[in-house]
This record gives sequence, C-alpha cells and structure tokens, in this order.
Amino acid sequence: DAGITQSPRHKVTETGTPVTLRCHQTENHRYMYWYRQDPGHGLRLIHYSYGVKDTDKGEVSDGYSVSRSKTEDFLLTLESATSSQTSVYFCATDQGREETQYFGPGTRLLVL
Amino acid sequence: GNSVTQMEGPVTLSEEAFLTINCTYTATGYPSLFWYVQYPGEGLQLLLKATKADDKGSNKGFEATYRKETTSFHLEKGSVQVSDSAVYFCALSRGYQKVTFGTGTKLQVIP
Repeated sequence: DAGITQSPRHKVTETGTPVTLRCHQTENHRYMYWYRQDPGHGLRLIHYSYGVKDTDKGEVSDGYSVSRSKTEDFLLTLESATSSQTSVYFCATDQGREETQYFGPGTRLLVL
Repeated sequence: GNSVTQMEGPVTLSEEAFLTINCTYTATGYPSLFWYVQYPGEGLQLLLKATKADDKGSNKGFEATYRKETTSFHLEKGSVQVSDSAVYFCALSRGYQKVTFGTGTKLQVIP
C-alpha cells in the first residue's frame, strides 16, 4: 500500500481563521489530489497537482488554495475558514493514466 | 463529460445474502473502471478494477464485469459478511483525465 499520511487527523477551528492541512506520501507518485467528502455529495475534487509547483483547480476550489514544493508534500489551505468548509478531507495520489488512486486516512475538520 | 451513476443506499442485507450494487457510466472511449471501498473512519481503498470490455475484476469474493454494451460495472458478492459493511464507490478513469466517482452506496450487513 502507498504510504500516505495526513495531518492533523482532527481539527476544530473558528470561522475566519486560516487552516492548513498536510498530505505526505512516500511512494513518489506524480499526481496528488485533495477531496472533500460530505453526506449526499460523495467525493468532490478541490485541487490537484501533476508535479512540483504544478497545480490546478477541481470542481469545488473556491475558498481553498494549495501548494506543492516537494514531490512528497501537498498542502491545502483554507485562507479564512467558514462553517460550510466543515467536512472530511482526503488526500489521494496516483501515477496517472488510469492507475489506482491511494487515499490517506482523512482529516475531520469542524469550523465553528 | 464523464459521469458515474450508482444505486442509492443504504442497502441492508442479512449475513450470507447475495449482493448486487448497480453502477452505470457515461464516458467517451474506453475508460478503466474501479470499485473502491471505504470502511468506517478510513479512507477509500481499491477493491477491484477492470481496464477493458469483458474484463472481470475480482477480490475478496467480490466481482464486477466491464460491460461496454450496457455501460455497466455492477458489483456482486455471493454471500456477504458483517465485515463487508462499508460504503462502496464506483469510479472511472480515462487517460489523464481526473477520476470520476459515484456518490457511494452504503451497505449494512446484519447478523
């Protein structure tokens, strides 16, 4: 299995504060993804990266930014958290070209 | 664009019952098809996959056949166990396009 870790695993924060979630992989996969999972919506793609410093928006990118300065790390930042961003966030990686995606354990974020 | 439609849940079955979770897709060309499983409190993990028409993916007693004529990839298991209780996601991937997931089907197996 791909080694994918996420930190923190749980976080409670207040509206208006910045939050950064970290994803770390040890498999040297080229592609990395951030999803959010909400009841009734399944998985929705926030941002993804296809290489160091190469990122692009997904379907629900408003209010989120990302950075990838190293192959192994992909950061997701909520610049000013809102209650609508309360969710479970998953990082995933793959080698592209119809390959299997590997998921991290998730970060449960509560914005009060 | 690409899309995946899977049956609404939750699905509740008694142990040893037969399971079918329907999945149909819309895509150009010939995508690869996947079933992922998510156990409570965990991330998704691959259950099985198929990369071309008529391929059958199988794992842990689960099977799914890539049917291009009906654009389907239904998940089946002959005898479910309590430990199979989870959320199941159908997904497709085409070339370098982003993966498209279904909304998930929750399965609950009762003893």
